[in-house]
Amino acid sequence: DAKTTQPNSMESNEEEPVHLPCNHSTISGTDYIHWYRQLPSQGPEYVIHGLTSNVNNRMASLAIAEDRKSSTLILHRATLRDAAVYYCILGQGDSGGGADGLTFGKGTHLIIQP
Amino acid sequence: DAGVTQSPTHLIKTRGQQVTLRCSPKSGHDTVSWYQQALGQGPQFIFQYYEEEERQRGNFPDRFSGHQFPNYSSELNVNALLLGDSALYLCASSLVRILGNTEAFFGQGTRLTVV
Repeated sequence: DAKTTQPNSMESNEEEPVHLPCNHSTISGTDYIHWYRQLPSQGPEYVIHGLTSNVNNRMASLAIAEDRKSSTLILHRATLRDAAVYYCILGQGDSGGGADGLTFGKGTHLIIQP
Repeated sequence: DAGVTQSPTHLIKTRGQQVTLRCSPKSGHDTVSWYQQALGQGPQFIFQYYEEEERQRGNFPDRFSGHQFPNYSSELNVNALLLGDSALYLCASSLVRILGNTEAFFGQGTRLTVV
């Protein structure tokens, strides 16, 4: 399974932008890059996903490197409610024999200071 | 829309017993996946059900089994419980099997404690 590498933790201040990095050097051409987050005592929550182009939605932006070996999740203005574990996951775009389930790592624990 | 619902929310079982966890997917979703999350770890994929059949399986022993009903709801069964089975069990539903270009919706999970 393709794997991702993320920092164990990051800290940011409230109302400032946050850039969460993810390395995925063994990504294949059909792998989508997904971000999920998990707030304390809750199940994971979908944030955003993309394949090659940068993506924006109401929650965040996803910046994908041209070679697709890394990506960055951008929270434009962090709030205390954004404190969570953020997971960068590669999702297969076809049924190429791998597990259809999502392969979570340990994620990045994002701490927001007031 | 109630989203993904799981029951029960908490459960305490004795080593050696059997347990059944239940999941109702988000309305309109036909695919259900189950995950195990140990404390301090990311969720680990157990298996996925689609069209009432187990389609894919992660690295879990046969003690873990499941079922999907015609209404797409699902059960996770764990036999011969071990202390190491203590974890948060998460159910996720999606509209399609291949999760590459879609999002999965997770329930709040069932916290299982084996004593």
